[in-house]
Amino acid sequence: GESVGLHLPTLSVQEGDNSIINCAYSNSASDYFIWYKQESGKGPQFIIDIRSNMDKRQGQRVTVLLNKTVKHLSLQIAATQPGDSAVYFCAENTMVRYGGSQGNLIFGKGTKLSVKP
Amino acid sequence: ETGVTQTPRHLVMGMTNKKSLKCEQHLGHNAMYWYKQSAKKPLELMFVYNFKEQTENNSVPSRFSPECPNSSHLFLHLHTLQPEDSALYLCASSRGRQETQYFGPGTRLLVL
Repeated sequence: GESVGLHLPTLSVQEGDNSIINCAYSNSASDYFIWYKQESGKGPQFIIDIRSNMDKRQGQRVTVLLNKTVKHLSLQIAATQPGDSAVYFCAENTMVRYGGSQGNLIFGKGTKLSVKP
Repeated sequence: ETGVTQTPRHLVMGMTNKKSLKCEQHLGHNAMYWYKQSAKKPLELMFVYNFKEQTENNSVPSRFSPECPNSSHLFLHLHTLQPEDSALYLCASSRGRQETQYFGPGTRLLVL
């Protein structure tokens, strides 16, 4: 079935470096994508989102890139800090009804980001 | 904080117990959700309520029973659970069904 997946389960970066977390999706009808950050013992925290009419969106130290041609989503974190250590999930949502489901988030398994001091 | 609170934060129960999880959102949202998060698995959607009406039951066993008395509160009633039901149960809310969902901190459930 349609699913969201991640290329790497773990990512280790040096403090101060940039991080790139990747996500592949297979539902061509998906038109809204969200990145969440989940720290240990906490619920997922919204980071940034992007709609399918855009290919790039920037936030504070974070940038999301969307490549609809290859169905790929990435999250870039600039100047990664120890506080960025967490599991990062991408999620897709379909704004239009698809296969009987509308408006449900489909999550990937997550990438664990570890920041080395 | 996200504006979504959950109680209790931790719960240990036997297989014959009955307990309830509570979620409250202070965001004025209209949709609320229950998710299950198990180790090494993606988040699994369990139930969806929109304007207090249940719109999704994602093939959840009947030992899980949701209740939504108003748009701000959501409960998950638990009875005769199995050890494999041990997980983190997350509540989320959104303004509309197709808008960003905001999560609570979760209830860590252990079934013995």
